[in-house]
Amino acid sequence: KAGVTQTPRYLIKTRGQQVTLSCSPISGHRSVSWYQQTPGQGLQFLFEYFSETQRNKGNFPGRFSGRQFSNSRSEMNVSTLELGDSALYLCASSSDRGPYEQYFGPGTRLTVT
Amino acid sequence: EDQVTQSPEALRLQEGESSSLNCSYTVSGLRGLFWYRQDPGKGPEFLFTLYSAGEEKEKERLKATLTKKESFLHITAPKPEDSATYLCAVQASWTGGFKTIFGAGTRLFVKA
Repeated sequence: KAGVTQTPRYLIKTRGQQVTLSCSPISGHRSVSWYQQTPGQGLQFLFEYFSETQRNKGNFPGRFSGRQFSNSRSEMNVSTLELGDSALYLCASSSDRGPYEQYFGPGTRLTVT
Repeated sequence: EDQVTQSPEALRLQEGESSSLNCSYTVSGLRGLFWYRQDPGKGPEFLFTLYSAGEEKEKERLKATLTKKESFLHITAPKPEDSATYLCAVQASWTGGFKTIFGAGTRLFVKA
């Protein structure tokens, strides 16, 4: 079974630009969660989508948004990029019927200059 | 407030020197506790799920245990390739679904 895939793997953007990251979950998983990981803050939860609906949201500004498609693939968008948005963005998928562990993709390394 | 605390922040061991990593948590409505391993620049790799106090899981040199307030990841006779950051996460029921809270991790260094 193929794992979680994320594209692109690396991105360099300039302050003020916007960016879209993509995630394809494990086949059959309908829950997709997004995390931001930085050396200082660790893994911070952004949001979770299930069946095309945002089910849960972390404490991030409205510049961070996401969506999920009918095939469970998900995208997240960050608008008006700031230097502090530089991070590893991780996507994780899980089965909603249990067991509930999340399986992570390799991440997208975003650098904002 | 729901919280997950891992200790120590960093642990340096000699090859073959067994030790334990701790994960303490305060959540209501625990749905499961998870251990992950993360290598630099990569996504976390799932290791174990524990659902209830008293449960234990083993995989090679790793053994995870769970009590009502904490979990331990025991590493027996570690090797240099066990060097990584070990993350603990707790999943709890929440309005409309569930939430997963990660600890800050323990960075393990195993020297040959």
